[in-house]
Amino acid sequence: GAVVSQHPSRVICKSGTSVKIECRSLDFQATTMFWYRQFPKQSLMLMATSNEGSKATYEQGVEKDKFLINHASLTLSTLTVTSAHPEDSSFYICSARELSGEVGKQYFGPGTRLTVT
Amino acid sequence: GQNIDQPTEMTATEGAIVQINCTYQTSGFNGLFWYQQHAGEAPTFLSYNVLDGLEEKGRFSSFLSRSKGYSYLLLKELQMKDSASYLCAVKDSNYQLIWGAGTKLIIKP
Repeated sequence: GAVVSQHPSRVICKSGTSVKIECRSLDFQATTMFWYRQFPKQSLMLMATSNEGSKATYEQGVEKDKFLINHASLTLSTLTVTSAHPEDSSFYICSARELSGEVGKQYFGPGTRLTVT
Repeated sequence: GQNIDQPTEMTATEGAIVQINCTYQTSGFNGLFWYQQHAGEAPTFLSYNVLDGLEEKGRFSSFLSRSKGYSYLLLKELQMKDSASYLCAVKDSNYQLIWGAGTKLIIKP
């Protein structure tokens, strides 16, 4: 089946620094990738949708200058958390939608645990 | 390797009951999640099981047996709006999420 990977799986950084998280579709091409944040009560909040070669679409309330998303190829999207603060500590999950797959079918990555000290 | 299996597609009738099974083989276990996802929308959290047994929440219930590596999501009094994909996910020993491919549930009148 389709596999999505994320790197790193966990990262600890100091307040004020930037962190980059990679999301890769390993065995398929993804026109669209999604970035989610998982909250302590397990709900997933969609942060942004990125399409290869174009600017990401951010959900209301998500700061696009703080959460930089780049979808440079059909297999790679990156999320950079700039000037991280402790409240940015969370579990970030990406998902990818296949180029030729069923409409709406997404494959999810294992997540990245970000801790900002 | 780590693996989660759930049926690709199921069909049920409005008003009926349906059970969606999920079996898993993971390195460690730190909880199992069920999410509902309508096409084009973000997944909605349904349940989280970390101990064996049945958790009931309205029309939806989720069961877990850690010794069998097995869970199911039970949906009662099905409504047309329950037509969606249902995702099973397990957190492994490293707290990484291992996702099933999802079960597409089709509800017929």
